[in-house]
Amino acid sequence: KAGVTQTPRYLIKTRGQQVTLSCSPISGHRSVSWYQQTPGQGLQFLFEYFSETQRNKGNFPGRFSGRQFSNSRSEMNVSTLELGDSALYLCASSNRDRDYEQYFGPGTRLTVT
Amino acid sequence: AQTVTQSQPEMSVQEAETVTLSCTYDTSESDYYLFWYKQPPSRQMILVIRQEAYKQQNATENRFSVNFQKAAKSFSLKISDSQLGDAAMYFCAFKIIGTYKYIFGTGTRLKVLA
Repeated sequence: KAGVTQTPRYLIKTRGQQVTLSCSPISGHRSVSWYQQTPGQGLQFLFEYFSETQRNKGNFPGRFSGRQFSNSRSEMNVSTLELGDSALYLCASSNRDRDYEQYFGPGTRLTVT
Repeated sequence: AQTVTQSQPEMSVQEAETVTLSCTYDTSESDYYLFWYKQPPSRQMILVIRQEAYKQQNATENRFSVNFQKAAKSFSLKISDSQLGDAAMYFCAFKIIGTYKYIFGTGTRLKVLA
């Protein structure tokens, strides 16, 4: 079974631009969560999508948004990028019936200059 | 507020020795899962071990074991017979049962010395 995939793996953007990151979950997994990982802050929960609906949201500004498609693939969008948005963005998928098992993708490394 | 604290930003251990990584958490809930995740350099995060809060018995997975003290809200990870491949960032996390939000600590970088 293929694992969680994320594209692109690396991205460099300029302050003020917007960016879209993509995540394809493990086949059969309908829950996708997004995290921001920065040194010293660890992983911070952004949001979780299930059945195309955002079910949970972390404490991030409205510039961070996402969506999920009918095939469970998810995208995360960050508008008006700031230097502090530079981070590793991880997505994780799970089967809600076994929600204690979360599988992570390799992440997208976003650098904002 | 629900928080996870990993007070050791970095630890070192000699190959074949034992090391313990500390984690404390704070929640008013009684039903939750606790996790240790491993993130090797430039590689994907993987689950090392999971503990259900209602279980008194400490979880064990081969060379990895936990010391779960629910009253103290402490969840440490012991790695026995450390190997070079154990070098990674280790994250402690918990999740309230019935919710889908994981709370992570800031991580402990483990170095294994040959």
